Parts: sequence; C-alpha cells; structure tokens
Amino acid sequence: EAQVTQNPRYLITVTGKKLTVTCSQNMNHEYMSWYRQDPGLGLRQIYYSMNVEVTDKGDVPEGYKVSRKEKRNFPLILESPSPNQTSLYFCASSVTGTGVHEQYFGPGTRLTVT
Amino acid sequence: AQSVSQHNHHVILSEAASLELGCNYSYGGTVNLFWYVQYPGQHLQLLLKYFSGDPLVKGIKGFEAEFIKSKFSFNLRKPSVQWSDTAEYFCAVIVDRGSTLGRLYFGRGTQLTVWP
Repeated sequence: EAQVTQNPRYLITVTGKKLTVTCSQNMNHEYMSWYRQDPGLGLRQIYYSMNVEVTDKGDVPEGYKVSRKEKRNFPLILESPSPNQTSLYFCASSVTGTGVHEQYFGPGTRLTVT
Repeated sequence: AQSVSQHNHHVILSEAASLELGCNYSYGGTVNLFWYVQYPGQHLQLLLKYFSGDPLVKGIKGFEAEFIKSKFSFNLRKPSVQWSDTAEYFCAVIVDRGSTLGRLYFGRGTQLTVWP
C-alpha cells in the first residue's frame, strides 16, 4: 500500500530535550516536506526537499533541522525543543517533473513540549 | 511573499444546502492549485487540483472548483452538502517554477459544519 508513515504519532517531551520525528514514504517520490498545523494558522511549511541531499527552508524553519540522505526518509529534528513548537506535524511527499504535483500526507505527529 | 486567503473561517450549513468556499492567492505567475480536506482526527486528503487546461475541475465526492485567473481565485463548490462533508477545507497553491519552486502555501482553512 502506497503511504507516508510518521513516528511517533504522539510525543510529550520537555524543553531542551532533542528529538527526531521520522518520515518515510514507499512511493519513490523525489519531493518530501514537513508542515506544522496550528489552530487558526492552517498549515505552514517548515522544510522541503526536492531530492536526496537537496533541502530548502519553508516559511517557519527556525528551531528545526532536516536531512535527506535517502530518497524514502526525511526526518525532522528538533535540537532543543521549546513550548512554542507544540503543534501537529505532517510529513508529505510527491513526484516532481514539470513542477510539483499533489502531495500525499502522513497521519501526523502530535508533539507537546512542556 | 506569496499568500493564500480563505475568506470564511467557519461555515455552517444544513444538509442539501449549496456550498461555496472562497480562495484567493497572491502570486501572479504560473501556479498549481489544490483543495485538501481534513476530516476530524485524520490527515489531509486531496479533493481536487488544477494544473492547466479546463478551469473548471471536478474532484471527489461531488466537489468542483473553478480557476479564475483574472481574479486570482480558486473557489470550491458543491451543489448539495451532506453531513459527512463536515471537515476542515484547505486551499493550497504551489508555484510552478522559479526561485520558489517547491514551496507550497496553504490558506488558514475553513471549518465546514453540516447539520443533518
């Protein structure tokens, strides 16, 4: 089954404790992206990657890191989480070629930073 | 910076009413346009998309949207809503080329509540 998976689905952590949220897709998509969803703000793009070893900042990259060493994986790293990073996070992927196409979203990771 | 505006934050309708959700974007170049739906507790799913060609696009579950380039709009419509359409709807725009290729911009979402 074609899908985007994220782990963990729920995470409660404390300020300053480094964490990684994994994202994996099995569709051989070149493009992957991370978003955060906050009430009243919709989805905002954190980072995206057009292909392996190619990453770019989105609208709200501060406090986050990403890496794209393999085509299927695109982990999101919070080196020193803060309470304002409490949010619902979605990973997405799509094919490229003549632009970027519809994105397939993962199930989401709800992060709480206390 | 590019932006996407959704005019209605919360729309409440009775079943069988007609629906139109507004979406305007600010980018003047070539764009790809999407409407996504998020049912309670679920992830986003694609309703429909516009890349080129016929500006009236049809999606799943009876939804359609019309791209009006002169108005920078991509409004979502459904002639008769059902209780199961209760969800949050997001308009999204991706720039087709240039320095911001790959950047996807979402509107803030419209919560649709349909009363049976």
